[in-house]
Amino acid sequence: KQEVTQIPAALSVPEGENLVLNCSFTDSAIYNLQWFRQDPGKGLTSLLLIQSSQREQTSGRLNASLDKSSGRSTLYIAASQPGDSATYLCAGPQSGGSYIPTFGRGTSLIVHP
Amino acid sequence: GAGVSQSPRYKVAKRGQDVALRCDPISGHVSLFWYQQALGQGPEFLTYFQNEAQLDKSGLPSDRFFAERPEGSVSTLKIQRTQQEDSAVYLCASSLVGVAGVYNEQFFGPGTRLTVL
Repeated sequence: KQEVTQIPAALSVPEGENLVLNCSFTDSAIYNLQWFRQDPGKGLTSLLLIQSSQREQTSGRLNASLDKSSGRSTLYIAASQPGDSATYLCAGPQSGGSYIPTFGRGTSLIVHP
Repeated sequence: GAGVSQSPRYKVAKRGQDVALRCDPISGHVSLFWYQQALGQGPEFLTYFQNEAQLDKSGLPSDRFFAERPEGSVSTLKIQRTQQEDSAVYLCASSLVGVAGVYNEQFFGPGTRLTVL
């Protein structure tokens, strides 16, 4: 069964820092990968989707990369802001026709003013 | 509407009651997923529809759970004879195309928080 590990589980930083969030899959045969943020009591908001033919995606201060050979993805957040405080989750379906994404537990991020 | 909507947002049920949770996906989205999210955990897959066809229900925890999407749009997740362990947030997501499609980015609703007393 595919398992997803997100490191660190929690992160508390001052405003302005550049951050690195990690996501790894036990089975590296990932078809694509999506990063989400989840605010307390809310649903998931899609941040970035890395398609099967891509290695990275960028949106504003966010950059996500995917290394399919190792089954690892990294989310970079540049110049963090208090509004970035949320839980960040990664998810991806496996290759070979599976459309069911497996989620990690998330990284809980707090950015202090 | 512009996004995925779910109702009710909160539901409190007494143990043994039946509940029905509704999901309105983004118009035109072929795929619809239901997930269960326990506190401090990531979402766990329950079931998947492509249009009106339920292609996978392997994640449903027991036969008390039933989902339908009769016209390929709105979906309902029904839980019969609720138990305390059913307490969780139930999330619905939709995506534009089906299996292994290029534009299969998932869009989530706000969830329904179910509390079983």
